[in-house]
Amino acid sequence: NAGVTQTPKFRILKIGQSMTLQCTQDMNHNYMYWYRQDPGMGLKLIYYSVGAGITDKGEVPNGYNVSRSTTEDFPLRLELAAPSQTSVYFCASNLPTGGASGKLFFGSGTQLSVL
Amino acid sequence: GNSVTQMEGPVTLSEEAFLTINCTYTATGYPSLFWYVQYPGEGLQLLLKATKADDKGSNKGFEATYRKETTSFHLEKGSVQVSDSAVYFCALSDLHQGAQKLVFGQGTRLTINP
Repeated sequence: NAGVTQTPKFRILKIGQSMTLQCTQDMNHNYMYWYRQDPGMGLKLIYYSVGAGITDKGEVPNGYNVSRSTTEDFPLRLELAAPSQTSVYFCASNLPTGGASGKLFFGSGTQLSVL
Repeated sequence: GNSVTQMEGPVTLSEEAFLTINCTYTATGYPSLFWYVQYPGEGLQLLLKATKADDKGSNKGFEATYRKETTSFHLEKGSVQVSDSAVYFCALSDLHQGAQKLVFGQGTRLTINP
């Protein structure tokens, strides 16, 4: 059972380049999320999705775009990379339990450096 | 808005020592509270949770009690092991359309020496 899979694990970008961070889950979870984790800081929500075709902004969405064409996939797009986007990115998913179960399933992360 | 504050790390203890990691929160309403753990090179995993005041969450010897009067959710373990070395995150839930928009504290790095 793969769970939440993120690719790539590491990437170095030059300022102004673009890239897509891939995230896929095989648990048939409706809800998916992208978080970023800066050094010494907690995770901050970038975007989330409550189902295919539906996305919404989180706390720090500027400089990012997302799409959700299938239940399984939730890619995160950086159009014009900036040094401030150097971070570790985590994708997560969970079921629509209807309550506050809180059990998000996280991928192992993508470490991105923008130089 | 909602926020979570954790005690600053890093925390270094010897094996079998008693552990406390403090966590306080600010929130409207009555959110659910969580502790997540991140082992080196891995994503976060749910350690324990509490959904209402006075609830105690527990798992793997760790405990935390939801204290509404002090807006706290401190993590404790009576006897830590080297394998407990990790980063611990306190979080609260901010539900929107059923989505679990977690608000995290900054994390506390714990190192246990043999």
